Amino acid sequence: DAGVTQSPTHLIKTRGQHVTLRCSPISGHKSVSWYQQVLGQGPQFIFQYYEKEERGRGNFPDRFSARQFPNYSSELNVNALLLGDSALYLCASSLERGAYEQYFGPGTRLTVT
Amino acid sequence: GNSVTQMEGPVTLSEEAFLTINCTYTATGYPSLFWYVQYPGEGLQLLLKATKADDKGSNKGFEATYRKETTSFHLEKGSVQVSDSAVYFCALRGGSNDYKLSFGAGTTVTVRA
Repeated sequence: DAGVTQSPTHLIKTRGQHVTLRCSPISGHKSVSWYQQVLGQGPQFIFQYYEKEERGRGNFPDRFSARQFPNYSSELNVNALLLGDSALYLCASSLERGAYEQYFGPGTRLTVT
Repeated sequence: GNSVTQMEGPVTLSEEAFLTINCTYTATGYPSLFWYVQYPGEGLQLLLKATKADDKGSNKGFEATYRKETTSFHLEKGSVQVSDSAVYFCALRGGSNDYKLSFGAGTTVTVRA
């Protein structure tokens, strides 16, 4: 079975622009979480979605939003990009909302110039 | 809130040396504890977990014991290999209804032949 996939792998945006990142969970997994990993730091939780509803939100501004589709894939949107948004964005999927095992994708490397 | 503090790196070892990475945590309730590993250019992989006090997680020769009295979850391996070179993250998940992972800053381990 395929693991968690994310697209694109890399992208470069300019300050003020908008970006959409995509994630496809492992087949059968209903929960998707998003994390931001700034270089040299541990991942920080952004959102969790389960059964297409937001179930948790981290300490991120309203410029960050996400949604989950009927096939359980997910999009993370970031508006009005800042230089500080440059990071590796990781998506993780799990079978259920409370499952201990979260499987991470390879991430999307976002660079804001 | 929940937080994780782990030993700063980088750590450089020779093959077959003993590895210890210290991790302590602050949490309310009864958290679950995890070690994740990130190889260069890849996403995070779950290495091991412990879901209650005194549990020992183990995988691929790595071990960690959940010590509630010292709020610690130190990672150990008796004989490292070059292929163990990676960044290691300690993480916790809070109690019921709190499914996000809180990560430490990561420890970079380099094993030399």
